[in-house]
Amino acid sequence: AQSVTQLDSQVPVFEEAPVELRCNYSSSVSVYLFWYVQYPNQGLQLLLKYLSGSTLVESINGFEAEFNKSQTSFHLRKPSVHISDTAEYFCAVTLGNLFFGTGTRLTVIP
Amino acid sequence: KAGVTQTPRYLIKTRGQQVTLSCSPISGHRSVSWYQQTPGQGLQFLFEYFSETQRNKGNFPGRFSGRQFSNSRSEMNVSTLELGDSALYLCASSLEGGLRTEAFFGQGTRLTVV
Repeated sequence: AQSVTQLDSQVPVFEEAPVELRCNYSSSVSVYLFWYVQYPNQGLQLLLKYLSGSTLVESINGFEAEFNKSQTSFHLRKPSVHISDTAEYFCAVTLGNLFFGTGTRLTVIP
Repeated sequence: KAGVTQTPRYLIKTRGQQVTLSCSPISGHRSVSWYQQTPGQGLQFLFEYFSETQRNKGNFPGRFSGRQFSNSRSEMNVSTLELGDSALYLCASSLEGGLRTEAFFGQGTRLTVV
């Protein structure tokens, strides 16, 4: 069985501060992991993905995530957040279809 | 390249009615998946279609059905609507589906059942 746990439902952070959004997964097979972002009244956009290879993956807008097999985690980090990063972030695993976590609402405070 | 297009964006229906939602995938994509998003249950997988065949199905009642046409466009139908069916319905397309394929999402159809 697969499941994804996002430990924080809401994360407020000041602009230009670092942030970490936590994601833990459980799976009996090899996993492929994703982070999606959802802006208000929008669909989901893929932020980054881990399929294989380097355990550190990066997105074009400064986010990165590290796949940690021993801790079954795929936490999302950004060293300095911007107001425009305010959104809901979903961690997901796949075994054909996507299984999503419950989401973390990131609010960047000016 | 056009993205995934879902129509309509907003819909209001009455309990007991039925509704059909439409999804046009990215050109060349053959896999279309549907998800339901609600505040209480989060994002849940409904079903996936590939080459006009349902390939995978989530845990939803038979009132939820779908189909895919030869041009890969997909429709989702919900019959005998209930208040709990109020949700954002998201469609995602990918080249082939499967484990490693990136899914691209549409903006969703927000269904309100009154």
